[in-house]
Amino acid sequence: ETAVFQTPNYHVTQVGNEVSFNCKQTLGHDTMYWYKQDSKKLLKIMFSYNNKQLIVNETVPRRFSPQSSDKAHLNLRIKSVEPEDSAVYLCASSHYWGFNQDTQYFGPGTRLLVL
Amino acid sequence: AQKVTQTQTSISVMEKTTVTMDCVYETQDSSYFLFWYKQTASGEIVFLIRQDSYKKENATVGHYSLNFQKPKSSIGLIITATQIEDSAVYFCAMREGQQGTGSKLSFGKGAKLTVSP
Repeated sequence: ETAVFQTPNYHVTQVGNEVSFNCKQTLGHDTMYWYKQDSKKLLKIMFSYNNKQLIVNETVPRRFSPQSSDKAHLNLRIKSVEPEDSAVYLCASSHYWGFNQDTQYFGPGTRLLVL
Repeated sequence: AQKVTQTQTSISVMEKTTVTMDCVYETQDSSYFLFWYKQTASGEIVFLIRQDSYKKENATVGHYSLNFQKPKSSIGLIITATQIEDSAVYFCAMREGQQGTGSKLSFGKGAKLTVSP
């Protein structure tokens, strides 16, 4: 199956803890993204990687750090979570060039609840 | 400043009818890409259709089509013969950033479509 996969589906943690989310795509894309969707359903880009290189880094708190081991994997680590980090984190991928470039395909999301 | 605006927040239609969802955008780029996605009740975000700004023909995929009015910076989504399973939140999005500098999508706030039998 070719798709974007995310783990975990859901995570509950307490303020100050560290969490990590994983994303893998089997679509053969070379670019991956992290988006945050808040309780009002607003979707905002956080980071973008092309072939393991960070190419987009929006203004996010420094406690957020993306990590990419290869073009098929993009993880997100949050050090010392805050209550406002409660949201759904969505991973996406796309081709950077060529046919269907920039059409992004999304994973199912990871819902984070910070108590 | 918001670059993608969806003024409709909620739309209700009867099954098998046609619905149009509005979206306007702002950009300084001469070439850009516009997208429509839907988010189902389970949270899954699904790509529906795209329009490249340099193409004059409106894109069509299945029962989705676009009404691209470039002078008005408008990209409406038209769903014909709606089905119950079309009930979802629909997002309009625009690709920002010049080619080679990094791509990101700016999303509208979404519009909830409810299709009733």
